[in-house]
Amino acid sequence: EVQLVESGGGLVQPGGSLRLSCEASGFTFSISWMHWVRQAPGKGLVWVSRIKSDGSDTTYADSVKGRFTISRDNTKNTLYLQMNSLRAEDTAVYYCAKGAAPVNWGQGTLVTVSS
Amino acid sequence: QTVVTQEPSLTVSPGGTVTLTCASSTGAVASNYYPNWFQQKPGQAPRALIYSTSNKHSWTPARFSGSLLGGKAALTLSGVQPEDEADYYCLLSYGGAWVFGGGTKLTVL
Repeated sequence: EVQLVESGGGLVQPGGSLRLSCEASGFTFSISWMHWVRQAPGKGLVWVSRIKSDGSDTTYADSVKGRFTISRDNTKNTLYLQMNSLRAEDTAVYYCAKGAAPVNWGQGTLVTVSS
Repeated sequence: QTVVTQEPSLTVSPGGTVTLTCASSTGAVASNYYPNWFQQKPGQAPRALIYSTSNKHSWTPARFSGSLLGGKAALTLSGVQPEDEADYYCLLSYGGAWVFGGGTKLTVL
């Protein structure tokens, strides 16, 4: 069974940084594309970023380009999202998802950017 | 900035049929946009329903179907059940980047 467990969310001040993790199990992580998707409270889904299976190809939404970095450690079956220069509008539940397009999703971790 | 547009809300009667659509600000949606559809219920993570326009996942109920219709991606629910009340999102590919639509709130009444 595919399992994705996000962690690392919390309260951070504007301008601050946070690193999210997504621990994967139940499938061959090292051959899977992975995504981050976010959802602000009461709002819709927003695609954030994706990374190729070997980490050689990454893509970002314009809203996070230059501030967020997606990466992975295939030896640890873990996906990461390094978030810098955080803004209030980055407040959201962040989901990781598996697949060329997102298929299997975790339960999400809440990031709150506030002073 | 690319915008993907869905109907904000739709209402359907139990047992009825409803079609949700997904339009792109760049023009007609084609198969190379690889349309995906997701269902999300309150307090839950999204669940994938359809990929690459019309392909169903193993868990997708038969009453859900995907297609291209009049330059848009479409999700049709036939024989709607009360448990189909949810938010539905489409997702389109733009050469590596992906963009979600704003979502459709489906009410079964």
